[in-house]
Amino acid sequence: GEDVEQSLFLSVREGDSSVINCTYTDSSSTYLYWYKQEPGAGLQLLTYIFSNMDMKQDQRLTVLLNKKDKHLSLRIADTQTGDSAIYFCAENSNYQLIWGAGTKLIIKP
Amino acid sequence: EPEVTQTPSHQVTQMGQEVILRCVPISNHLYFYWYRQILGQKVEFLVSFYNNEISEKSEIFDDQFSVERPDGSNFTLKIRSTKLEDSAMYFCASTSEYEQYFGPGTRLTVT
Repeated sequence: GEDVEQSLFLSVREGDSSVINCTYTDSSSTYLYWYKQEPGAGLQLLTYIFSNMDMKQDQRLTVLLNKKDKHLSLRIADTQTGDSAIYFCAENSNYQLIWGAGTKLIIKP
Repeated sequence: EPEVTQTPSHQVTQMGQEVILRCVPISNHLYFYWYRQILGQKVEFLVSFYNNEISEKSEIFDDQFSVERPDGSNFTLKIRSTKLEDSAMYFCASTSEYEQYFGPGTRLTVT
């Protein structure tokens, strides 16, 4: 069945770029998403990309999609303490979202 | 900015009791969803709802679960006889096209 894999943790220094990676399995997925979850909070949609695109940029966020390798990444430029959260990758499969386990982004001062 | 709202934020219930979780989706959205996240585990799809009927449901969504849109604004998830393993965060989401927007979640604790 469909599965989405992510590393569980990423630690970066404040001001550096963070790159969070994700692999997915459903080649028919039309959209891929990044959500952010802060402690005790809900799931905030950060950005999404259509499967016919390679890249999408939105302010400090850059999404790269390698459809051949089924690899998706989220780059956060100039990482700030407010970026501390769990970042979820999700693929749209048959009108439902299939989720990764989430990557906890830890910011070091 | 429009947002999905959910009530209550936290529900504690005894095993075997019925619970109803409530959601108000974004007003012009047409598709509605329930997901759950057991502590420390992945977010899991439960059910999608469109045009006043279930369009997809997962294996988790068995006969103990039901959904309803009783009026033009609310979307509810009912669990008829709760089990300990139903303890989780339950998220409602709605979408008009590509972007699924989520509510803040209801934490359900079954004791």
